[in-house]
Amino acid sequence: DAGITQSPRHKVTETGTPVTLRCHQTENHRYMYWYRQDPGHGLRLIHYSYGVKDTDKGEVSDGYSVSRSKTEDFLLTLESATSSQTSVYFCAISESGTAGYNYGYTFGSGTRLTVV
Amino acid sequence: GDSVTQMEGPVTLSEEAFLTINCTYTATGYPSLFWYVQYPGEGLQLLLKATKADDKGSNKGFEATYRKETTSFHLEKGSVQVSDSAVYFCALSGNNAGNMLTFGGGTRLMVKP
Repeated sequence: DAGITQSPRHKVTETGTPVTLRCHQTENHRYMYWYRQDPGHGLRLIHYSYGVKDTDKGEVSDGYSVSRSKTEDFLLTLESATSSQTSVYFCAISESGTAGYNYGYTFGSGTRLTVV
Repeated sequence: GDSVTQMEGPVTLSEEAFLTINCTYTATGYPSLFWYVQYPGEGLQLLLKATKADDKGSNKGFEATYRKETTSFHLEKGSVQVSDSAVYFCALSGNNAGNMLTFGGGTRLMVKP
């Protein structure tokens, strides 16, 4: 989707090195999310953000940190990459609904990360 | 908490066959329901959605009806094509502060010519 881009698309890194993945949106949506997708586990939420400098943990947040200093950018950092963090990472965005209505997510194209 | 259960795949069909992918959910209140599709090497794309009981979502020949009495949102298509081969995810939006969706595990569909 043109309104959300992830970078890089592919990355190979060594165990113990820091890695930062970037998600950029042009939709001015309030909510942003980082998921990882692994065979047999479906999509698992790592962290999400509900506004600038407002973030919270998901179900698999250990070993990951995030930052959102601007509405359009949401960064995911692996402080010290491990082989278990080899995965495909997806960013998603969502706008606020009214009266509890959820418009759903728009996903980025993903980042394939390999930790060797 | 909220949960979504999908039939396990892979589902293998011949071209022009009828497709059903089952999805049931557990949630409090009145969630919105979604189907997403993921083609190889791509992110998930919204396929269709329904926001209240008895609503029918439809797109590209796919349909799903929000059945509150059976807590289901089964995906159907009358005649599948090879190009429909993908992974399909059912999801719901519960009552949460983060506007988050809960996803099922995904069902891989393979359509043979």
